[in-house]
Amino acid sequence: EDQVTQSPEALRLQEGESSSLNCSYTVSGLRGLFWYRQDPGKGPEFLFTLYSAGEEKEKERLKATLTKKESFLHITAPKPEDSATYLCAGETSGSRLTFGEGTQLTVNP
Amino acid sequence: DVKVTQSSRYLVKRTGEKVFLECVQDMDHENMFWYRQDPGLGLRLIYFSYDVKMKEKGDIPEGYSVSREKKERFSLILESASTNQTSMYLCASSLYPDDREHGYTFGSGTRLTVV
Repeated sequence: EDQVTQSPEALRLQEGESSSLNCSYTVSGLRGLFWYRQDPGKGPEFLFTLYSAGEEKEKERLKATLTKKESFLHITAPKPEDSATYLCAGETSGSRLTFGEGTQLTVNP
Repeated sequence: DVKVTQSSRYLVKRTGEKVFLECVQDMDHENMFWYRQDPGLGLRLIYFSYDVKMKEKGDIPEGYSVSREKKERFSLILESASTNQTSMYLCASSLYPDDREHGYTFGSGTRLTVV
């Protein structure tokens, strides 16, 4: 069974305190690993797609990396506006996404 | 930018009612999806569609049906609403498999409460 697990469930940081979010996956025939950001009361917003181990992508203070079993979302010097829930998802055959439960990030000023 | 519009942000319905959730996308996407999102359970796929009049069951289709009569519109139907269907419902569309670089585009969600 395809499974995506995220940790920690919640993370509280001080502004400027860098950290990483983890996404472990067991997805047969993984075609892509996706990261989304979700603000309260809104739908998820696409951030990155990663395809193969060793790949990295960056966007402002965020960098996503991929290994054969995990993906990490590194947040460098976060700001309060980075507070959100971050979701990862694995794509299987049939272009379906299996989502993790998310990590709720709070960045305090 | 692609826009996915869900007709209602909040809905309150009574047990046993037939409920329609509407979703429209404006970018000619082939694929459309309905998810529900619950605390501790994440996003779970209810139904999806790769083309007009096509539908496929997701992971939790029981108690739901869908309709896709036009490419831009994908409707989720709760045949007889029950309290355990109280949830946030999210519609998404995509150009998969031709365009993974933009992921899915989600609507803002409909928070449905069944009383």
